[in-house]
Amino acid sequence: GQQLNQSPQSMFIQEGEDVSMNCTSSSIFNTWLWYKQEPGEGPVLLIALYKAGELTSNGRLTAQFGITRKDSFLNISASIPSDVGIYFCAGQLGGADGLTFGKGTHLIIQP
Amino acid sequence: NAGVTQTPKFQVLKTGQSMTLQCAQDMNHEYMSWYRQDPGMGLRLIHYSVGAGITDQGEVPNGYNVSRSTTEDFPLRLLSAAPSQTSVYFCASRPPPGTGGFLNYGYTFGSGTRLTVV
Repeated sequence: GQQLNQSPQSMFIQEGEDVSMNCTSSSIFNTWLWYKQEPGEGPVLLIALYKAGELTSNGRLTAQFGITRKDSFLNISASIPSDVGIYFCAGQLGGADGLTFGKGTHLIIQP
Repeated sequence: NAGVTQTPKFQVLKTGQSMTLQCAQDMNHEYMSWYRQDPGMGLRLIHYSVGAGITDQGEVPNGYNVSRSTTEDFPLRLLSAAPSQTSVYFCASRPPPGTGGFLNYGYTFGSGTRLTVV
């Protein structure tokens, strides 16, 4: 099946630093989504992207849908302790389709 | 409005046993899906449904059955549990395209069922 390559696998940063992670695919998607998961919980939607080239923000989070429709990135500015968690990218081909997930980026914030 | 509710939260099965993982949503979402999450593997799609009476297979459907008799419920059945099915299972739902704001386009996930097969 399709695979999403998400990097980096983990990040160890200081509070206040900016964070950047990305996702690439060998095939196109028509929707890119970014989720955050905390221990013992299901993923929670952060940002949804619907058009190639689209740049969307949600508070300190900014994500872009790559122009080729095969990649996306997520930036977090001025990280805070509650940003800790696992961030997943997900692609969707058609509106009725399920999601294809990356393997996640584990964000750890050092005091 | 409870969102997506999954039961049970934890389950231990013996190899060969069958069971049903329950998923219910009260948001009148037509689209529902099941995923499994294994360490280092991310979430993988098992089955999905675009409405009552309509289901389709995802990436890893073998060993699982689904049916969708109502909009609210989408149960996942393990016919004969195997150790390879030890995983965390998530159910998710979303409204069809064209309804609501941008956050409504993404799937809403339940809190998961942690299944161990021994």
